[in-house]
Amino acid sequence: QKEVEQDPGPLSVPEGAIVSLNCTYSNSAFQYFMWYRQYSRKGPELLMYTYSSGNKEDGRFTAQVDKSSKYISLFIRDSQPSDSATYLCAMRVQGAQKLVFGQGTRLTINP
Amino acid sequence: NAGVTQTPKFQVLKTGQSMTLQCAQDMNHEYMSWYRQDPGMGLRLIHYSVGAGITDQGEVPNGYNVSRSTTEDFPLRLLSAAPSQTSVYFCASRAGHLSNQPQHFGDGTRLSIL
Repeated sequence: QKEVEQDPGPLSVPEGAIVSLNCTYSNSAFQYFMWYRQYSRKGPELLMYTYSSGNKEDGRFTAQVDKSSKYISLFIRDSQPSDSATYLCAMRVQGAQKLVFGQGTRLTINP
Repeated sequence: NAGVTQTPKFQVLKTGQSMTLQCAQDMNHEYMSWYRQDPGMGLRLIHYSVGAGITDQGEVPNGYNVSRSTTEDFPLRLLSAAPSQTSVYFCASRAGHLSNQPQHFGDGTRLSIL
C-alpha cells in the first residue's frame, strides 16, 4: 500500500465548475501538506501549503486537511481552462527530509 | 530571478554511457534534492543534500551518484545508464534542511536511455 494515494484521473470538467481533488494517506505523522500544480513539460509549482489540520484559502483555491480521516482536498472554484494541469499532493513529517507525493491527478477544464 | 535551473532539458543516451545532470539554485537554499517522475509512480526521491559536503540517499538511489561541493550546485551522475533510468528528472531546493518551507522545483531533464 502506498503511503499517499491519489486518483490519477483523468478528470474533465466544464469551465466555471467547482473542482475537488483529493488524497488519502496512511502515515499519521504527516504534518505538512502541499498541493503542487504541474503544467505539461514543466516542473511542479507550489500552489497551497498547510500545516496540520484546517482550511486555507487563496483566491479561487481552498485546501482542506482532515487529519482524523487522513484525507486532504483541494477545491478550485470558478475553474478556468488555464487550470488544466496535473495536480500533485505532497506531505512531510515534521523534521524529516522526505517529501512523499501522490501520483498526481490530470485535470482538464473545457471551455 | 532564476530559481532552480536544470540542464540539459533533453538527453538521449545509449545503455552503459555515463552522464551528469546539472542543477543550480540562486536562492542560497541549504536543502537540495533529486527526484525522478515516472507514469503512475509520482515523484520519487533519489538523493538529497542538507548542505555543502553532505549528501544522503533517498528512496531510489541505485545507479546514481551525487556530490555537493557548493551551496548552489547539486549534480546528479548516472554511472552506467540503463533503460530503466529513462525518466524525467527534477531537482528541487528548500530554504534550510529543517525548515518548514516548501520545496521549489526546476523544469526537469527528460532522459531517454536506448
